[in-house]
Amino acid sequence: GNSVTQMEGPVTLSEEAFLTINCTYTATGYPSLFWYVQYPGEGLQLLLKATKADDKGSNKGFEATYRKETTSFHLEKGSVQVSDSAVYFCALSSYNQGGKLIFGQGTELSVKP
Amino acid sequence: DADVTQTPRNRITKTGKRIMLECSQTKGHDRMYWYRQDPGLGLQLIYYSFDVKDINKGEISDGYSVSRQAQAKFSLSLESAIPNQTALYFCATSDVDSTGELFFGEGSRLTVL
Repeated sequence: GNSVTQMEGPVTLSEEAFLTINCTYTATGYPSLFWYVQYPGEGLQLLLKATKADDKGSNKGFEATYRKETTSFHLEKGSVQVSDSAVYFCALSSYNQGGKLIFGQGTELSVKP
Repeated sequence: DADVTQTPRNRITKTGKRIMLECSQTKGHDRMYWYRQDPGLGLQLIYYSFDVKDINKGEISDGYSVSRQAQAKFSLSLESAIPNQTALYFCATSDVDSTGELFFGEGSRLTVL
């Protein structure tokens, strides 16, 4: 079945450091890929998405590129801020599963001043 | 006011008690979902509903039931709560044409003693 695997956390960085959170997926067909973010005490919210191979999703300085050849959708940001501290979830959605989202286990990011 | 509202936000109950978590939305979406979040496991789908007359089991439906009272309301019940149902529960909605974008409530933290 379809699945998503993320790098384990927690990830601790200093402010202005470069961030990469790895995400790989297993899916049949051509899924859409997502990054969701959960700030402390809140629900998840969509950060960015890509719906086909080689698409790049971007938002708030974060980027991720849909790489079909490596089945990956790694999240990157060039310079993190304390306010980026949150849990990040990679997810996929595929037509053959009725469009339901399948989530990775989440990666906690802590940014220190 | 939030687009997706969950009540209660926090609940402590005892083993064997019946508990209901309620979700209401003002987004006008047909699709609603209940997820459970456990540390290190990401989000797991409990039940989902694509319209008022449609209810479907997710990955971990055992021990849970749902009711879709109206387009805007979707409640989750634990008929006889047990300690391993202690978790953070999220309701989410999506549009039919959303390509996987979900809108989440702020979560209901349930503790079963």
